[in-house]
Amino acid sequence: AQRVTQPEKLLSVFKGAPVELKCNYSYSGSPELFWYVQYSRQRLQLLLRHISRESIKGFTADLNKGETSFHLKKPFAQEEDSAMYYCALAGAGSYQLTFGKGTKLSVIP
Amino acid sequence: SAVISQKPSRDICQRGTSLTIQCQVDSQVTMMFWYRQQPGQSLTLIATANQGSEATYESGFVIDKFPISRPNLTFSTLTVSNMSPEDSSIYLCSVAAAGTGTYEQYFGPGTRLTVT
Repeated sequence: AQRVTQPEKLLSVFKGAPVELKCNYSYSGSPELFWYVQYSRQRLQLLLRHISRESIKGFTADLNKGETSFHLKKPFAQEEDSAMYYCALAGAGSYQLTFGKGTKLSVIP
Repeated sequence: SAVISQKPSRDICQRGTSLTIQCQVDSQVTMMFWYRQQPGQSLTLIATANQGSEATYESGFVIDKFPISRPNLTFSTLTVSNMSPEDSSIYLCSVAAAGTGTYEQYFGPGTRLTVT
């Protein structure tokens, strides 16, 4: 069975500090990993996916198959980064997403 | 990305009644899904809405409780039947486009349901 674990329910950082949101997964094959973000009063939206290796809004995430992790990082947090972040996994060849429980990021001015 | 709308955006219902939630997409999409997000919890997949055939339900969800229709490639409905307070959740529809090489999904704004 596939599983996504986000160990932190809430993460508070000061503006300008580095941010790391942790995500670990359990899956026997080669998964596709995503980070979704939900800003206050907005819908859930895709932030980035591991397959594209892109940086969105200064965020990056690297898939580490050895550690089965897909942590989300940003070197300098901004107030507008405050949101709920969900890590999600799609199994090989599948559209079904398994979500972690989410981490609420609060950036303190 | 597809633009997805849901109706209603929120509702308060009495136990024992049913509510039908609509999901409309502005383009034809292959895959449509329904999720539930209970208070303080993550998203849980209820079912995959299949066009022209019965929906595929995940473990713990049954058709009698959550009947789903998908008459075409841009529209789907989810009905929450015989509601109880435990059904109070946000219900979201999402879509994915097959053949794009990725499995990302796009989400609707959600329907916030409160059952009293």
